[in-house]
Amino acid sequence: DAMVIQNPRYQVTQFGKPVTLSCSQTLNHNVMYWYQQKSSQAPKLLFHYYDKDFNNEADTPDNFQSRRPNTSFCFLDIRSPGLGDAAMYLCATSREGTPYEQYFGPGTRLTVT
Amino acid sequence: RKEVEQDPGPFNVPEGATVAFNCTYSNSASQSFFWYRQDCRKEPKLLMSVYSSGNEDGRFTAQLNRASQYISLLIRDSKLSDSATYLCVVSPYNQGGKLIFGQGTELSVKP
Repeated sequence: DAMVIQNPRYQVTQFGKPVTLSCSQTLNHNVMYWYQQKSSQAPKLLFHYYDKDFNNEADTPDNFQSRRPNTSFCFLDIRSPGLGDAAMYLCATSREGTPYEQYFGPGTRLTVT
Repeated sequence: RKEVEQDPGPFNVPEGATVAFNCTYSNSASQSFFWYRQDCRKEPKLLMSVYSSGNEDGRFTAQLNRASQYISLLIRDSKLSDSATYLCVVSPYNQGGKLIFGQGTELSVKP
């Protein structure tokens, strides 16, 4: 089945230790998104790729970076995780068009110790 | 003011009840509208897109009123498995499909 896959599902990192989360998709969608969701809050968009074009949200901290080496893969790099970065990180994809229905991966739950 | 506002929850209803969720959005240029469902500690899943003419999928009916910037979701004959958080979601025009989520309304269906 076509899907959005995220690895790892659970990640524990130390304060200040860089961490990379990965997302892959078999849907061949040209748009990929990274969201951060904290407990009892709505998902918040960090950035998205429209094909190879990177679009950063104005309030996304510089600590968060992303790479998309090809259509299928996208990475979220957190350069120096702080305790406040503990959250669920959700990857989503969509195909260009209206409506932009987005399909989410299962998420990576990040714990910072 | 939040860009997408939903009814505060939680909604606790018995099986078989009809329940309605309401949502308002502030950006009149919003282009696409959705309801997502999110189970505890899981990812959001698309429940349905919402069209101006209204649309129905089984027990679920969604309505959109662009003039009032209002979206609704009606669930008929609710099941235990409908228990989840329902997220009202809006996509602004010409922003690459960016989604803006409401806070969500928690639904708990009891036997």
